[in-house]
Amino acid sequence: AQSVTQLGSHVSVSEGALVLLRCNYSSSVPPYLFWYVQYPNQGLQLLLKYTSAATLVKGINGFEAEFKKSETSFHLTKPSAHMSDAAEYFCAVSPRSQGNLIFGKGTKLSVKP
Amino acid sequence: DSGVTQTPKHLITATGQRVTLRCSPRSGDLSVYWYQQSLDQGLQFLIQYYNGEERAKGNILERFSAQQFPDLHSELNLSSLELGDSALYFCASSGGQGWITFGSGTRLTVV
Repeated sequence: AQSVTQLGSHVSVSEGALVLLRCNYSSSVPPYLFWYVQYPNQGLQLLLKYTSAATLVKGINGFEAEFKKSETSFHLTKPSAHMSDAAEYFCAVSPRSQGNLIFGKGTKLSVKP
Repeated sequence: DSGVTQTPKHLITATGQRVTLRCSPRSGDLSVYWYQQSLDQGLQFLIQYYNGEERAKGNILERFSAQQFPDLHSELNLSSLELGDSALYFCASSGGQGWITFGSGTRLTVV
C-alpha cells in the first residue's frame, strides 16, 4: 500500500531563507507525487506534481521539488521564503492505477519577518 | 476559483441528524472524489466516482454514502451524525492524468 511521511509537523524559517519541506513515500510501483498548499480556511491548491517526466519539477510561487527514487523522497524547496508562503503544505501520492490521493499529515510553515 | 463548487460552505447540525453535502465538478471532469479533513485523522480519502459509477472506496463509514448524478454533480450523505464527524469535507474532481482539483470545502460542525 502507498503511504507518505512528512518529516516535521511544523517548520519555521525567516523571510528570505531557504524553505525545505520533507516528504518520503512508500510505493510498490512508480507513483504520481504531488504537493498541495492550504491557506487558512481555504481549500487545497496544487503546487506541483511529478508524473515520471523530469525529476526536477517546478511549480507555482517559486516552489520546486525533486523526485529521488533511490531515496524515495520528493522534498519541496523554495530558495527564498516570503511572508505569503505561510500555510500548511501536504505531500500526496497517487497509485497510477487509481486516481485517489493519499496524503501525508501536513507541515505547517511559519515565516518570521 | 478552482472550478469545483461545494455547498454549503458551513453546516451546523445536531447529533443523530442527517445532512447532504453537494459538489459540482469542474466542467468536463468525470471523476469526483470526497475527502474528510479532521485534526486527528488528517486528510482521508472517502470515495471516488467516475461518470456515475463508484470507482474506489477509502475510509468511508457505513453511515456515509455518496452518489454521482447524470449531470456529474455529486452528493455526500452523512447520517446518524456523531460529534466526531465534525470536520472539513472536500470534494475534488479530475479529468484524468492525475490533475485533481479541490473545492473550498464544507465545514461541518456537529453539536
